[in-house]
Amino acid sequence: DTAVSQTPKYLVTQMGNDKSIKCEQNLGHDTMYWYKQDSKKFLKIMFSYNNKELIINETVPNRFSPKSPDKAHLNLHINSLELGDSAVYFCASSLDRTGPSNTEAFFGQGTRLTVV
Amino acid sequence: AQKITQTQPGMFVQEKEAVTLDCTYDTSDPSYGLFWYKQPSSGEMIFLIYQGSYDQQNATEGRYSLNFQKARKSANLVISASQLGDSAMYFCAMREVPDMRFGAGTRLTVKP
Repeated sequence: DTAVSQTPKYLVTQMGNDKSIKCEQNLGHDTMYWYKQDSKKFLKIMFSYNNKELIINETVPNRFSPKSPDKAHLNLHINSLELGDSAVYFCASSLDRTGPSNTEAFFGQGTRLTVV
Repeated sequence: AQKITQTQPGMFVQEKEAVTLDCTYDTSDPSYGLFWYKQPSSGEMIFLIYQGSYDQQNATEGRYSLNFQKARKSANLVISASQLGDSAMYFCAMREVPDMRFGAGTRLTVKP
């Protein structure tokens, strides 16, 4: 069983369209993340959810809207896609505990979004 | 502000030799975790090793070890006996629950 699964793996779409990327984890984790990896491989955190509550919302255009229907799912909806949105988007999850942050984040396979 | 710094955009190492990838971080939180991930050309993120801020000893996982110098706020990754399959991007990350941020990465190339 895949621990963190993202769909789709590849997404090619035209400028102006609206698209969604889905993420599901079966690890029982309570924190989920979205990261954007640009062409220079830099991994930028976009959002972090803990128990369905939005915790981190970086300076991301409001065209990006995360939705967490339950602890196991964190979807990313993008409106009015632009050329600059082309990137690889990674979903990740981890288990929060009090005390030392000794739980790694498990990553999905990534979604390569290409806006044309 | 950037909290994780990897100053080596690219590194080369001869097969079977050891290599150190640098990572420094900045935090005022006494509780944090430091991680290293590998990203091969296929794109997946592979967890390598973890070091907790309270851990007294440096972490080791097979050929990977983490040289943790808390006072200097550095967490360098040491790969011993490099293999061709070690060629990849390597990311240092810091986790302050529930936040997890990454450095810019180092591209390691292992030469035969």
